[in-house]
Amino acid sequence: QTVVTQEPSLTVSPGGTVTLTCASSTGAVTSGNYPNWFQQKPGQAPRALIYSTNAKHSWTPARFSGSLLGAKAALTLSGVQPEDEAEYYCLLYYGGAWVFGGGTRLAVL
Amino acid sequence: QVQLQESGPGLVKPSETLSLTCSVSGGSISSYYWSWIRQPPGKGLEWIGYIYYSGSTNYNPSLKSRVTISIDTSKRQFSLRLTSVTAADTAVYYCTRSEEGSAYDLGYWGQGTLFTVSS
Repeated sequence: QTVVTQEPSLTVSPGGTVTLTCASSTGAVTSGNYPNWFQQKPGQAPRALIYSTNAKHSWTPARFSGSLLGAKAALTLSGVQPEDEAEYYCLLYYGGAWVFGGGTRLAVL
Repeated sequence: QVQLQESGPGLVKPSETLSLTCSVSGGSISSYYWSWIRQPPGKGLEWIGYIYYSGSTNYNPSLKSRVTISIDTSKRQFSLRLTSVTAADTAVYYCTRSEEGSAYDLGYWGQGTLFTVSS
């Protein structure tokens, strides 16, 4: 059973920068895991932000960026806005199957 | 802009079969990957499986014995069938579509539908 691990919670100040990470129990996350990132606010469906490590959807704000950071996938928010407070999920691909991380609750305080 | 709409019974009894449909509007159903995701109340997301428009499928190994995903391109719909449901299957169920030309994303989401298992 593959486990994908994210920080349970993070706090950032408005205007600041924060990096969320996504680790795999099978080893280093690579581009072959096609990391995806999603934002979910209470009562709403998830919204896709990043796919294939660092590709943005047409609606993804410029302050969101994806990368590989060491052995993990990473989502960086630069110039954080109050509306960025949400749950963030990563998603990794394992040869035909997808596995979600447990989510990171991001507080903007 | 593509829109996805889940539909199905909101309540079924334990041991029965869940059947949900995702209707696609505002875009083609061909040349995309279509997935089902679920989220139990207050918990995280779980990938259930996907189907390519050609009919090829892949399922979450933990659900594989109970899941069938099918597609009807003429009706612009794809469907989820989950057998022998228990309370653990109570969740909001979402359908998704990939970006054009991509097999490795869940770009577009429906609003989700709550499915409850209860006697």
